[in-house]
Amino acid sequence: QKEVEQDPGPLSVPEGAIVSLNCTYSNSAFQYFMWYRQYSRKGPELLMYTYSSGNKEDGRFTAQVDKSSKYISLFIRDSQPSDSATYLCAMSLDTGNQFYFGTGTSLTVIP
Amino acid sequence: GAVVSQHPSWVICKSGTSVKIECRSLDFQATTMFWYRQFPKQSLMLMATSNEGSKATYEQGVEKDKFLINHASLTLSTLTVTSAHPEDSSFYICSARMGTAETQYFGPGTRLLVL
Repeated sequence: QKEVEQDPGPLSVPEGAIVSLNCTYSNSAFQYFMWYRQYSRKGPELLMYTYSSGNKEDGRFTAQVDKSSKYISLFIRDSQPSDSATYLCAMSLDTGNQFYFGTGTSLTVIP
Repeated sequence: GAVVSQHPSWVICKSGTSVKIECRSLDFQATTMFWYRQFPKQSLMLMATSNEGSKATYEQGVEKDKFLINHASLTLSTLTVTSAHPEDSSFYICSARMGTAETQYFGPGTRLLVL
């Protein structure tokens, strides 16, 4: 079983839609949860990070962590064509530890 | 802030040659740098972790004599692919972390093609 599971998609939505991206994980000791956005042929860009359970909002993006279910989500409101990218979830046990990445979900927002 | 650069952005080389990729943290001191490899439509595969001034820690299955990592300063780490072969063709990405910060900042990646 992989440490982190993420549906690779592809996911295609119309412009303006709400997008929900999810990851599940097996190690209950994970404490730090990150979402990265990666455009084609570019390095990942940090979007959101959260510590432990709860929600965090930044503009059109909301990250949720449910540690009891070992499930994290990233919501994108009012999606734009520029949001078209691959979204990677990542998590770590503690500061200074390695990251465990999901395989990434490919998202296309259609104008 | 938190900008990481990589050079070169892409490189084509002949089989058997060595290629050096540089990773620099431009506006912060990176006590730890990571090197990843990414195949098309796949996630990042951690190759090694390097701390400034010490030897890199390689992940299982990664040949340390083939992928030489040097982290000589708090702003620079290099990955040298020695005696490159076509199967080494990939997208190599570095990331850097400040102290024990919880996040990593990624470079733009280097695309290597070995002919």
